[in-house]
Formats: sequence, structure tokens, C-alpha cells
Amino acid sequence: DSGVTQTPKHLITATGQRVTLRCSPRSGDLSVYWYQQSLDQGLQFLIQYYNGEERAKGNILERFSAQQFPDLHSELNLSSLELGDSALYFCASSATSGFTDTQYFGPGTRLTVL
Amino acid sequence: KNQVEQSPQSLIILEGKNCTLQCNYTVSPFSNLRWYKQDTGRGPVSLTIMTFSENTKSNGRYTATLDADTKQSSLHITASQLSDSASYICVVSAPGGYNKLIFGAGTRLAVHP
Repeated sequence: DSGVTQTPKHLITATGQRVTLRCSPRSGDLSVYWYQQSLDQGLQFLIQYYNGEERAKGNILERFSAQQFPDLHSELNLSSLELGDSALYFCASSATSGFTDTQYFGPGTRLTVL
Repeated sequence: KNQVEQSPQSLIILEGKNCTLQCNYTVSPFSNLRWYKQDTGRGPVSLTIMTFSENTKSNGRYTATLDADTKQSSLHITASQLSDSASYICVVSAPGGYNKLIFGAGTRLAVHP
């Protein structure tokens, strides 16, 4: 158990809908990261937040947005969902924003768009 | 173009045997290289992180090596166990932050009794 929690574990929705994925980092960690893992594209970095502020942005679509709240939990919002958005979404956390910090991954949310 | 290539794509070994997984990259300039272990359907677990100045790093039975000159890394697993069955992902980063991460496709390892 990494100490990172993600909810929900599974999510099934229809095209065009909007969903919110939630992540609670390990106690004391200030950085939160979101990753997408699909069968055809592998693991991809989406976005990083550090202590409430956006730090780095990867291949995140404009239909996706994220935020980190004062209690350090984070939410990833996915809107106008398409079939291709079906994937595993992982949240990770680390103590600081340091580039060689160990990241601890949560169990993931499996999103299925029908 | 920055790329990370892992080989082999998949590997089957017997319990107790050693194995070596390869990661070749073209990322330049280079900042650091990470190896992750990912069990099916679960989140990746960090094994090692190496900067350009490090050439070996161990984590229990896992030893990663890095040759920044030839742009090659390997992950050596000693005395394999059934629990080592997983995908192993190599991630290379250029300087500048997490948006510079380049992910390999992974090597799927199966350890048989």
C-alpha cells in the first residue's frame, strides 16, 4: 500500500459525459501528479501540482483539467468524454517538487467510456 | 526525436534465475532515468532513479546500471521470485521538469515455478 488513495476504483460512463477523479496524496506529500495509461499509448504524464499550484503540464487535453485543494487532495476533471479516453488514470505523490523525488502511485481509476 | 526503447518486449524465466532488461534512449540532453515495476492492474512502483552522474543503483535484488555515453541502461534481477512477474518500465527525462518525461513501452516479465 503506497499511502495514495484514489476514488472511484472503476467508472463507466457514456460519450459526451463529464467525470471527476479524486486523489489523496500520502500524508505530508506536497506534490501530486496525474498519469494516463492506455493499451495503445502506454503511460503518459498529464499534469503536476505542488502545494496547490500547477508546476508542469504534459500531454493533457484541453477537455481535461485538474486542481489541488488546500488540504492537498487533487481532482482530475474529464469532460466531453470520448471512447479514446478509456484508460487507467493514476495519481502519484511525492514529498517535494524535486525532479528526483520518489513518486508513490495510487491504485488507479479505471475509466470506461461507452 | 526523443525515444526510449526497451527490450525484450516480453521474457519468461524460471524462479531462482537471474535476468537483465534493457533500455536504450535517444533523449538528449539527459537529466535522469527511472525504472518502475508495475503489477497488472496496479500502480507503478519506483525501483530506482539515477542521474547522469550515477552508473549503478541497487534496490534489494534489483540493480540498475546506466551508461550515459552509450545511452543505455539495464535492470538486473537476481534470484527471481514469482512476485517479480510484472511489467518493468524505463522512463527517461530531459532537463526541465516532469513534462519532459519519455516513457518506454515496458518489458513484461513472467517468472515460472
